[in-house]
Amino acid sequence: DTGVSQNPRHKITKRGQNVTFRCDPISEHNRLYWYRQTLGQGPEFLTYFQNEAQLEKSRLLSDRFSAERPKGSFSTLEIQRTEQGDSAMYLCASSALGEQYFGPGTRLTVT
Amino acid sequence: RKEVEQDPGPFNVPEGATVAFNCTYSNSASQSFFWYRQDCRKEPKLLMSVYSSGNEDGRFTAQLNRASQYISLLIRDSKLSDSATYLCAVLSGGYNKLIFGAGTRLAVHP
Repeated sequence: DTGVSQNPRHKITKRGQNVTFRCDPISEHNRLYWYRQTLGQGPEFLTYFQNEAQLEKSRLLSDRFSAERPKGSFSTLEIQRTEQGDSAMYLCASSALGEQYFGPGTRLTVT
Repeated sequence: RKEVEQDPGPFNVPEGATVAFNCTYSNSASQSFFWYRQDCRKEPKLLMSVYSSGNEDGRFTAQLNRASQYISLLIRDSKLSDSATYLCAVLSGGYNKLIFGAGTRLAVHP
């Protein structure tokens, strides 16, 4: 399978814990995006990487959120001190040009 | 006003029906537009890019009206398997982030 992959697929954590998600983009894609989706809404942009450079961050990305793409390949999204409001589907997408292809997402539940 | 707005759903149609969804966008400088399909608890899957001249892919037709700032998706001869949420997305900003509408749910019944 050469599509975008994400791990884990599901994560249940207690409020206050830290969590980290991983995204492996399509191999030839140099652009990588993180989005968050809650029930009944479309995905909302969080951050964007071109190769290893993080070029844009949404105001939705509070200080508790950090994303990296150290070698320009896979990316990680960490949430520190999770809150119940962080419960959502976290989607990763990659692209070479305009069209973005999404991974299966990581569903986070904060109890 | 949201940057991208879609028809509220759900649309309940019988098999074989033709159904159309509209999506309006507020940024007149937007250049690229897309329709995604999302099944329940799955990721969005790219259905079609929307070109200025309009484009067709089998039973699906997408159109762009720049003057009125809306895009549309027409589905002909609906199938049960077309039941899903349809998201429109607009490429925004210098770094090509997608701005999504909230989606329109389609339910096709026998």
